[in-house]
Amino acid sequence: NAGVMQNPRHLVRRRGQEARLRCSPMKGHSHVYWYRQLPEEGLKFMVYLQKENIIDESGMPKERFSAEFPKEGPSILRIQQVVRGDSAAYFCASSQPGSSGNTIYFGEGSWLTVV
Amino acid sequence: KNEVEQSPQNLTAQEGEFITINCSYSVGISALHWLQQHPGGGIVSLFMLSSGKKKHGRLIATINIQEKHSSLHITASHPRDSAVYICAVRGDYGGSQGNLIFGKGTKLSVKP
Repeated sequence: NAGVMQNPRHLVRRRGQEARLRCSPMKGHSHVYWYRQLPEEGLKFMVYLQKENIIDESGMPKERFSAEFPKEGPSILRIQQVVRGDSAAYFCASSQPGSSGNTIYFGEGSWLTVV
Repeated sequence: KNEVEQSPQNLTAQEGEFITINCSYSVGISALHWLQQHPGGGIVSLFMLSSGKKKHGRLIATINIQEKHSSLHITASHPRDSAVYICAVRGDYGGSQGNLIFGKGTKLSVKP
């Protein structure tokens, strides 16, 4: 799993600030997924992106959350006007294009704490 | 009722014991994943399977599609196996590859 790089690993934000979480997929991977793990809860799918396209955002909260995967650079998960309930671990994963049988590789996660 | 249920929630074993973690799901699936979440929080993908059985080292994963059930077995368990094991399924409704439904995890502690 070394290869899916997330940063920062830990981020503290005050209520109302913006949080930006970055994810660089494994080399050769063009599919990126974001998941959220709330305290004491299981992981939940948020969004699936390919380069410059959002493919499936069915798990994204309707407001304040956005994601992008530009042609150059990492994927960004952006949370505007953070609230205490946004405190969670955010995981990024990536996979190769092509067959849906490809394994998904996870990053180490970014822990957001809203104070 | 969650779409993916794991049992047990917590499991304590002695080093060397054979361990089984179970996963039942209520939706049609195209793939099932077993993941390991380390105490530090990082997630490792152990297996992805859609039928039958897979083996990797001391780990074995099986799936019974008809019964909507999967098991993860660890032979000759070791304290370094201590982690949370998570079952996740991809529905067969045509959703994206990464649109997974996760179980809440089984916390395994292996004592020396």
